[in-house]
Amino acid sequence: DVKVTQSSRYLVKRTGEKVFLECVQDMDHENMFWYRQDPGLGLRLIYFSYDVKMKEKGDIPEGYSVSREKKERFSLILESASTNQTSMYLCASSLRGVKSYEQYFGPGTRLTVT
Amino acid sequence: EDKVVQSPLSLVVHEGDTVTLNCSYEVTNFRSLLWYKQEKKAPTFLFMLTSSGIEKKSGRLSSILDKKELFSILNITATQTGDSAVYLCAVVSNSGYALNFGKGTSLLVTP
Repeated sequence: DVKVTQSSRYLVKRTGEKVFLECVQDMDHENMFWYRQDPGLGLRLIYFSYDVKMKEKGDIPEGYSVSREKKERFSLILESASTNQTSMYLCASSLRGVKSYEQYFGPGTRLTVT
Repeated sequence: EDKVVQSPLSLVVHEGDTVTLNCSYEVTNFRSLLWYKQEKKAPTFLFMLTSSGIEKKSGRLSSILDKKELFSILNITATQTGDSAVYLCAVVSNSGYALNFGKGTSLLVTP
């Protein structure tokens, strides 16, 4: 059974703190993605990775960085959290090739920055 | 700029009704269109459509793509309260990896 897990379901941080969101998949997927989801804006891609140590910017990478040291783990880092980064963060993974569009999502982390 | 537009934004129907959700797109180098269902948490994959005119079906849900007119529809027949969710349409972007999502249609099925 396909499984994507995220380290926290709910997180509250203060402005200026460094925040790590972790995502792990057990499906041996090559591709991994980080999205944020906001009311009225839908899901927007922050970063994605198609291989270990590889990363590509998505539509809204400003204020974020990522790390992929192992195939199964993809981390999203907020270097200095700000209130406009309060959001639902969703991680996803997919295979390479023709199946790459079928992304499997984790349960999400609701981050509040105060 | 790639664009994916879903309509309506929200919909309330009675159990047993049939609903049609719409997704139109403007994407460079279109590859595929996908439908997801999102209940309280993670979106779950429903369909992937790549060719025009071929209906994909799963139980009471079906979907079809029109590549000439650049849209897709998702039909749900004999709706049930468990169909209440946000339905997301996504199109594969030029990069071939990432999905470009619409804002979703929120469906509420009342008993």
